[in-house]
Amino acid sequence: DTEVTQTPKHLVMGMTNKKSLKCEQHMGHRAMYWYKQKAKKPPELMFVYSYEKLSINESVPSRFSPECPNSSLLNLHLHALQPEDSALYLCASSQDEFAGEDEQFFGPGTRLTVL
Amino acid sequence: GQQVMQIPQYQHVQEGEDFTTYCNSSTTLSNIQWYKQRPGGHPVFLIQLVKSGEVKKQKRLTFQFGEAKKNSSLHITATQTTDVGTYFCAPNRGNEKLTFGTGTRLTIIP
Repeated sequence: DTEVTQTPKHLVMGMTNKKSLKCEQHMGHRAMYWYKQKAKKPPELMFVYSYEKLSINESVPSRFSPECPNSSLLNLHLHALQPEDSALYLCASSQDEFAGEDEQFFGPGTRLTVL
Repeated sequence: GQQVMQIPQYQHVQEGEDFTTYCNSSTTLSNIQWYKQRPGGHPVFLIQLVKSGEVKKQKRLTFQFGEAKKNSSLHITATQTTDVGTYFCAPNRGNEKLTFGTGTRLTIIP
């Protein structure tokens, strides 16, 4: 299984809502990532988990809260988002903890719209 | 961190023509990866270059890493409609983060 899955595919939420994005991989990868991608822009790194521990937080606002319950799962909890947070949220994983050394496998993404 | 520039930003080519995108860094890189993202899709890994002056080929795609390890290029020979998408370089300066270049969007005119 060389697939990263993400749910939901689409999400529309109000600024007062709380929602969660989910990501799963069964490749035995030890590093997992959240990226944000605005239209016609490259993906921007948000968080890196290495061996289930948060190793990088790219100064992301606290209304985004990541969680890694186990080595296969990665969640992104959303609360009190702003319309400018509307974007494609991509999850990725790689074999080892050093992101720049290994191929990253991306999930299909969750397209988030904040009203 | 400083974003790595790719040129051109957009390229429209007739089917069958060649295409090249360039990735330029002001600092020496440890290695560089290339990804392709189809319209409405997600990035998919293409290749990783590590050695100075390295050249790798995948069918019609040729990837090069500069001698100084500061720039890289992707060349596609005889483009096909399946080549449509945005091509991102992802240079690594030796830390844990993968940073994407600005991307080159390729469209094919049939």
